[in-house]
Amino acid sequence: EIQLQESGPGLVKPSQSLSLTCSVTGYTITSGYDWSWIRKFPGNKMEWMGYISNSGSTDYNPSLKIRISITRDTSKNQFFLHLNSVTTEDTATYYCASTALAYWGQGTLVTVSS
Amino acid sequence: DVVLTQTPPTLSATIGQSVSISCRSSQSLLHSHGNTYLHWFLQRPGQSPQLLIYLVSRLESGVPNRFSGSGSGTDFTLKISGVEAEDLGVYYCVQGSHAPWTFGGGTKVELK
Repeated sequence: EIQLQESGPGLVKPSQSLSLTCSVTGYTITSGYDWSWIRKFPGNKMEWMGYISNSGSTDYNPSLKIRISITRDTSKNQFFLHLNSVTTEDTATYYCASTALAYWGQGTLVTVSS
Repeated sequence: DVVLTQTPPTLSATIGQSVSISCRSSQSLLHSHGNTYLHWFLQRPGQSPQLLIYLVSRLESGVPNRFSGSGSGTDFTLKISGVEAEDLGVYYCVQGSHAPWTFGGGTKVELK
């Protein structure tokens, strides 16, 4: 069974960086699926942030392009989200998911506040 | 970016009632590859999202067949034929035909 689990700090100060880890079990991230980060804002709005392909290439939402980076550690079967210069508008629940959306993590709430 | 407009934003249903949710796109979702990358998923309270329908009408494995999807071009519909208590939550359409992927605003299905 494929499972995804997000981890990282729940509180980040404005102007700092947000870093999250997605650990994947039951499937090797270099196999067929690509892997996305998606966030849900308070009030239900959802935003696709970007993905890393099974070969390691990336694509990002243009709205985040200058602030976002998605990387991976294939030895640990993990991929990562890094978001620079956060503001209170980045407060959201962050999900990692297979890009086909068949598999999702439980989500982790990140609050940006001083 | 493609804008997906879901209606209604809230839907009150009784158990056993059949309901439909509309998702309208600001541009055609027919991809040059010939597929239409329009999908539906449900987020139950306190749970992670669950994929229900992919490529407009294909039922994800394990999803009850009371869920069905239809549509083409810019107009799409999710139908629940006989709502059950476990169907309550927020439904989203999402498109992957045009970068970046975008989501509808969600439809909250609640008990009447």
